[in-house]
Amino acid sequence: DTGVSQNPRHKITKRGQNVTFRCDPISEHNRLYWYRQTLGQGPEFLTYFQNEAQLEKSRLLSDRFSAERPKGSFSTLEIQRTEQGDSAMYLCASSLAAGADTDTQYFGPGTRLTVL
Amino acid sequence: AQSVAQPEDQVNVAEGNPLTVKCTYSVSGNPYLFWYVQYPNRGLQFLLKYITGDNLVKGSYGFEAEFNKSQTSFHLKKPSALVSDSALYFCAVRGLPGRGSARQLTFGSGTQLTVLP
Repeated sequence: DTGVSQNPRHKITKRGQNVTFRCDPISEHNRLYWYRQTLGQGPEFLTYFQNEAQLEKSRLLSDRFSAERPKGSFSTLEIQRTEQGDSAMYLCASSLAAGADTDTQYFGPGTRLTVL
Repeated sequence: AQSVAQPEDQVNVAEGNPLTVKCTYSVSGNPYLFWYVQYPNRGLQFLLKYITGDNLVKGSYGFEAEFNKSQTSFHLKKPSALVSDSALYFCAVRGLPGRGSARQLTFGSGTQLTVLP
């Protein structure tokens, strides 16, 4: 499968614990995005990388959230001291930086986080 | 700021009938418009996009959408609905990078389409 992959698909944790999610974009996609989707809502933008550089961060991305893309390939999203309000689907997307399809973001299956 | 409105939470249509899912948007400058579909417990699948050119855009699975600049709308359409089209549909917009809207997509709240057999 050459699509965007995310691991784990599901994560259940207790309030106060740290969690880390991984996203592997489509190979050769320079841009990588993280979104959060809560029940009954559309995805909301969290952050965006071009190669290893984090170029945009939403105000939704509090101090407890950190994202990295160390080698410009896979990315990790860490949430420290989780709160029940962090329960959501975390979606990763990737896109090309040049070419005819540069504007299309392709999404992974998501990681569903439940904070007890 | 950019925004998207999907005025209908739910659309029901009989199989074989035409379907329309509505979307209106607000963005600075020329819009980049997208439709995505989401099946239960799945990520979003890209259906089609409008960047420039012909106002009628054709996409995957027989879907099409019409860009109307004067009405700031981008409605999704299909001439003949299938039961398998039942899913959650999202409209999204972004503006040109560097004009305050960056590259992120802004999504509507989604429309649940149910095609009845």
